[in-house]
This record gives sequence, structure tokens and C-alpha cells, in this order.
Amino acid sequence: ETGVTQTPRHLVMGMTNKKSLKCEQHLGHNAMYWYKQSAKKPLELMFVYSLEERVENNSVPSRFSPECPNSSHLFLHLHTLQPEDSALYLCASSQDSRVWFGYTFGSGTRLTVV
Amino acid sequence: GDSVTQMEGPVTLSEEAFLTINCTYTATGYPSLFWYVQYPGEGLQLLLKATKADDKGSNKGFEATYRKETTSFHLEKGSVQVSDSAVYFCALSGQGAQKLVFGQGTRLTINP
Repeated sequence: ETGVTQTPRHLVMGMTNKKSLKCEQHLGHNAMYWYKQSAKKPLELMFVYSLEERVENNSVPSRFSPECPNSSHLFLHLHTLQPEDSALYLCASSQDSRVWFGYTFGSGTRLTVV
Repeated sequence: GDSVTQMEGPVTLSEEAFLTINCTYTATGYPSLFWYVQYPGEGLQLLLKATKADDKGSNKGFEATYRKETTSFHLEKGSVQVSDSAVYFCALSGQGAQKLVFGQGTRLTINP
């Protein structure tokens, strides 16, 4: 148990579907992150939330829509995805002012777009 | 901006061999440095870290020393095991930064 839980672990969706990825942490952290990990590519930071406000959005297409309703939960809403969006999506959290302690990662959601 | 460069993989070794994975960084000031490990089918786990120059992080037989003069944080292990097969990521957190910057990862395979 890493302290950061992601659901579902695996997701297969069609290009016209709408789905959501969920991330939950009970570590008392107040910053949360979405990363995309594709085969043979570096980790891509997608979104950063600090104190429930989005502080970074790295030119992510609008078909990815994040939501952070409180400091313990983070969602990634998906719609009209493309096959190249198939990847492992990782959520992480940290104590915002103490990011130098590092992140705690979830196990990821393996997304396949068909 | 801040950046991390790792040696290109994949790296393949025999069990009980000595391991070094090189990592160098570019950053202003005094960043914190990290090594993360990702086992197959899992997320990233913090392996070790160092927060100031000359600090040595260690865990599970792995070590890395923060070398400011060479801007390096190389990962070493004296005798690797098959269970060490994974992808290893070097990362840094700049002073006052709100995020980690990761290297591209190095895939390590240990053969029995």
C-alpha cells in the first residue's frame, strides 16, 4: 500500500467514450499531480494542483480535463481520446511546501484507447 | 531550466555484478536529488534521496552521493539481484520548486 490509490488499474475505452480516472490519498498532502508515461518516452507532467488550485497545465489537450474537489482526491476526465493517448497515467502527491521530500506515487491506470 | 540526464539503457547485467547508473543534473542553487524505481506493472517508488552536497542516500543496498562539483548523483549497488530488474529514474527538486524534474529512466535487467 503506497498511500496513493488509483482506480481503475486498467481501462479500455473507445474514442467516443467518456471516462474518469480517480486518485485518492490520505497522507495529509496538499499537492497532487498527473503524469503520463508512454512507452519509450520520458515521464510527462500533465497537471499540478496545490491546495486544490491548478498551478500548472503543460499544454495538455482539452480532451483531458482534471478536477480536484478537495486535497485528498484528484480526477482526470477523459473524452474523445485518440489511440496515441494509450499510456500509463500516474498520480502522485506531496506536501506542497516540502516537495524536496519527494512524491508518493500511485500504481497507475493502464489506459488503452481503441 | 532544471534538467536531469541519465545514462541510456537498457542495461543488462548478471546476478552479483556491480551496478552503476549515471545521472547528471543542471539546476541553479541547491536542489534535492532523488532516485525512484519502477517495477513492472507498478508506479514509481522512492528509492533514496539526498538534500545537500556530499550527502549519501542509501536503501536496499543501493547508494548515491550528491556531488555538487560534478553535478552528479550516480546510483550504485555492489551486488545486484534478479529482483532489482526495473526502471530507475533520477530526479531533482529545485530550490522553492513545486515539482520534480525526472530523467528519462534507465531499464535494468538482471540475468540469473
